[in-house]
Amino acid sequence: DAKTTQPPSMDCAEGRAANLPCNHSTISGNEYVYWYRQIHSQGPQYIIHGLKNNETNEMASLIITEDRKSSTLILPHATLRDTAVYYCIVRVATGGFKTIFGAGTRLFVKA
Amino acid sequence: NAGVTQTPKFRVLKTGQSMTLLCAQDMNHEYMYWYRQDPGMGLRLIHYSVGEGTTAKGEVPDGYNVSRLKKQNFLLGLESAAPSQTSVYFCASRPDPISYEQYFGPGTRLTVT
Repeated sequence: DAKTTQPPSMDCAEGRAANLPCNHSTISGNEYVYWYRQIHSQGPQYIIHGLKNNETNEMASLIITEDRKSSTLILPHATLRDTAVYYCIVRVATGGFKTIFGAGTRLFVKA
Repeated sequence: NAGVTQTPKFRVLKTGQSMTLLCAQDMNHEYMYWYRQDPGMGLRLIHYSVGEGTTAKGEVPDGYNVSRLKKQNFLLGLESAAPSQTSVYFCASRPDPISYEQYFGPGTRLTVT
């Protein structure tokens, strides 16, 4: 699985968009980009994933660059409850039965 | 449908003691995982299972053993606990090789003195 690089922490004002970057320059053609988050001491929660097209669901949007070497997770209207550690993971979709989480980005949403 | 549950939630052990952490899922998932998370760090994979009766080593398997005798349960054993095993342990499950989402349990906080 390709390695990812994320900033250790970021701040965001409540109600504003939070843009979390992730670099994955060694990503392979069959590897997907996944995002999870971990709120306080709870278990991680799946957010979104994508291959090369931009994706959107009820929680967030995922923007993947054309060369697929980086991506951005967007929380359109951050709330205090979005304060968490966000993990960017790259892995194959099939047979990739191991998911290794890095240190992630700690997002602080401030009132 | 309880999802992924972990037993116990908290435990304090003395060095050299043994214990077993239980993970149970009621979603009929094939894949199950054990991770540990140390303060301020991400999750590291200890062991995983791709089906009943199978187990495999992850990133940090030393000092741990696992068993998957039943599809719904994944047990993590510490034969001789060490202070370095003080951590929060998370279990997760995934339906199949194609599924993109892992479902995590609430975690077990283990302290070894």
